[in-house]
Amino acid sequence: NAGVTQTPKFQVLKTGQSMTLQCAQDMNHEYMSWYRQDPGMGLRLIHYSVGAGITDQGEVPNGYNVSRSTTEDFPLRLLSAAPSQTSVYFCAAGTGNQPQHFGDGTRLSIL
Amino acid sequence: AQSVTQPDIHITVSEGASLELRCNYSYGATPYLFWYVQSPGQGLQLLLKYFSGDTLVQGIKGFEAEFKRSQSSFNLRKPSVHWSDAAEYFCAVGALTGGGNKLTFGTGTQLKVEL
Repeated sequence: NAGVTQTPKFQVLKTGQSMTLQCAQDMNHEYMSWYRQDPGMGLRLIHYSVGAGITDQGEVPNGYNVSRSTTEDFPLRLLSAAPSQTSVYFCAAGTGNQPQHFGDGTRLSIL
Repeated sequence: AQSVTQPDIHITVSEGASLELRCNYSYGATPYLFWYVQSPGQGLQLLLKYFSGDTLVQGIKGFEAEFKRSQSSFNLRKPSVHWSDAAEYFCAVGALTGGGNKLTFGTGTQLKVEL
């Protein structure tokens, strides 16, 4: 009963490096999303997807890319990491008007 | 655009005391409303949700929330707080987008419980 699985749990990068945060769900939900959490700012939506092949921008999309080739996977890519992208990243999956299920998060530090 | 305001950044209560966490939302239609809880270093756990119907909703861990359309509020309550309730609480409003619920979160309320 995994739900939403995020990898890695922790990552340290240097400025300018690239990386992909992985998100996988086993609930067959069409809707998936990525949030970042920063102190005092709650969670802010980066990108979301309403199904395979369909993605859209959220509130804070700059510096991030996404794609959705399968229902199960929704990776988040940082092409050139910046210190401002130091954050905790959460992936979520849901369907219809039901609450989204969240992963345990990826804690990313960029030096 | 939808928005959520949680006016209290920090709240401290004594164990056994009652609790009310405030949440005000802005949304053009009937909102989908949620409360989530986050323990340190953990992900988000759903406490309760409101879609329609009865304006008083019950959740897990003895929490409840009341939807008041006239006040655009969805305050979270618990009659007797336990030390294990210390955590950060987030209110969120959802908008149906495609096949799912696009969430906008408040900035959170950090709850401290004094023994």
